[in-house]
Amino acid sequence: AQSVTQPDIHITVSEGASLELRCNYSYGATPYLFWYVQSPGQGLQLLLKYFSGDTLVQGIKGFEAEFKRSQSSFNLRKPSVHWSDAAEYFCAVSGGDMRFGAGTRLTVKP
Amino acid sequence: DGGITQSPKYLFRKEGQNVTLSCEQNLNHDAMYWYRQDPGQGLRLIYYSQIVNDFQKGDIAEGYSVSREKKESFPLTVTSAQKNPTAFYLCASSVWGSLADRGYTFGSGTRLTVV
Repeated sequence: AQSVTQPDIHITVSEGASLELRCNYSYGATPYLFWYVQSPGQGLQLLLKYFSGDTLVQGIKGFEAEFKRSQSSFNLRKPSVHWSDAAEYFCAVSGGDMRFGAGTRLTVKP
Repeated sequence: DGGITQSPKYLFRKEGQNVTLSCEQNLNHDAMYWYRQDPGQGLRLIYYSQIVNDFQKGDIAEGYSVSREKKESFPLTVTSAQKNPTAFYLCASSVWGSLADRGYTFGSGTRLTVV
C-alpha cells in the first residue's frame, strides 16, 4: 500500500524567505501526488498535483513542487513566503484511495 | 457555486450516544470519503463510497457507520462503540475512475467533542 512521510512536523521561516517542505512517498507504480493546505479549523485545499510529464508542477498561491523519482520525493517550494501562508501542509499519494502524510505546520515570522 | 457542505461545524456528544455528521455535495462527484484528523497524525480514512448504495471500510472503520442512499449525501454516524471519538472529521469527494482527476474536494469539517 502507498504511504507518505513528511519529515518536518513544524517549520518556521521569516516572511520573504524561501520555503521548502519535504515529502517522501512509497508506492510501487507511477505515483499520483498532491499537496494540500489547511488553515486552522478548515478543510483542505488542493495546491497542486502531479500525474506525469514535466516533473516541476506549478500550483496556486505561487507554490511549485518537483517530482524526483530517484529520491521518491515530491517537495513543495515557494520563493518568497507571505504571512498568509502560515498553515498546515499535507502531502498525499493516490493509488486508489488517497494516503496523507502527517502534515507540516508552517509558522511565518514577521 | 459547487462544493461540499458539512454540518454541524461543532458537535458535542455525551458518553454512550450515537451522533450523525452530515456531508452533502453538489459537484456531481461519484466518490465520497470520510477522514478523521487528530493532531500530529494527519488524516486517516474511515469509510469511502464509490457509488450509491455501496461503501467500503477504510483504516479505522470500527465504531463508525455510513450510508449512501443518494449520490449527494454521505452521512457518518459515530456510534457509542467508538471509544475515543473526539476529533476533527473531514468529508471529501472526487470523480471516480481516472486517477488523474482524483484531486479531492474537502468540506470545512466538523469538530466532535465528547462531554
